[in-house]
Amino acid sequence: ETGVTQTPRHLVMGMTNKKSLKCEQHLGHNAMYWYKQSAKKPLELMFVYSLEERVENNSVPSRFSPECPNSSHLFLHLHTLQPEDSALYLCASSQSDSYNEQFFGPGTRLTVL
Amino acid sequence: AQKITQTQPGMFVQEKEAVTLDCTYDTSDQSYGLFWYKQPSSGEMIFLIYQGSYDEQNATEGRYSLNFQKARKSANLVISASQLGDSAMYFCAMTPGGGSNYKLTFGKGTLLTVNP
Repeated sequence: ETGVTQTPRHLVMGMTNKKSLKCEQHLGHNAMYWYKQSAKKPLELMFVYSLEERVENNSVPSRFSPECPNSSHLFLHLHTLQPEDSALYLCASSQSDSYNEQFFGPGTRLTVL
Repeated sequence: AQKITQTQPGMFVQEKEAVTLDCTYDTSDQSYGLFWYKQPSSGEMIFLIYQGSYDEQNATEGRYSLNFQKARKSANLVISASQLGDSAMYFCAMTPGGGSNYKLTFGKGTLLTVNP
């Protein structure tokens, strides 16, 4: 595997389900990110982990719970989601120093019924 | 707070012609970074080009160049010799300086369609 991978690529869940999104980066980076991309809205930064510590939480509802067990893996745990949470969830990684570009995964298309 | 404005929801260009995608930004920072990303229909965001606020020369990467006009706070992307594979959404983004240089703020994007 190379770059940033995300699984699953597509997910359909009910509002009472619990699921997790997984992201893995193979670039040796030390920062990882979760973004939400809804239709007709700019990408929204949700969480940032740098050196495995959460450094940013952009007022994201508690039904989204991130986990970063090491610098290569990032999870987004989902529970009791709402239909408006349906979106493309993108993971990215970068080196945290200076203006380094972020490398993105292919995303998980989430549909909440 | 930083803001990115992309005023062109959609653009059309003929294959092999050049196209300019507009981006203006608003920031009070003296130091910042500007980025362009491409998002094909598959969903993955692909990094294209970077411009630092103190870079004196416009950035270029192959067929991509960034027309950076600091006083006007604009960072337009120029794609030369368009190809059918260039059809995608294009996002302008920026990061602030200092310890928050990981915070990418994105514009709403421009959908580019390349016609044969």
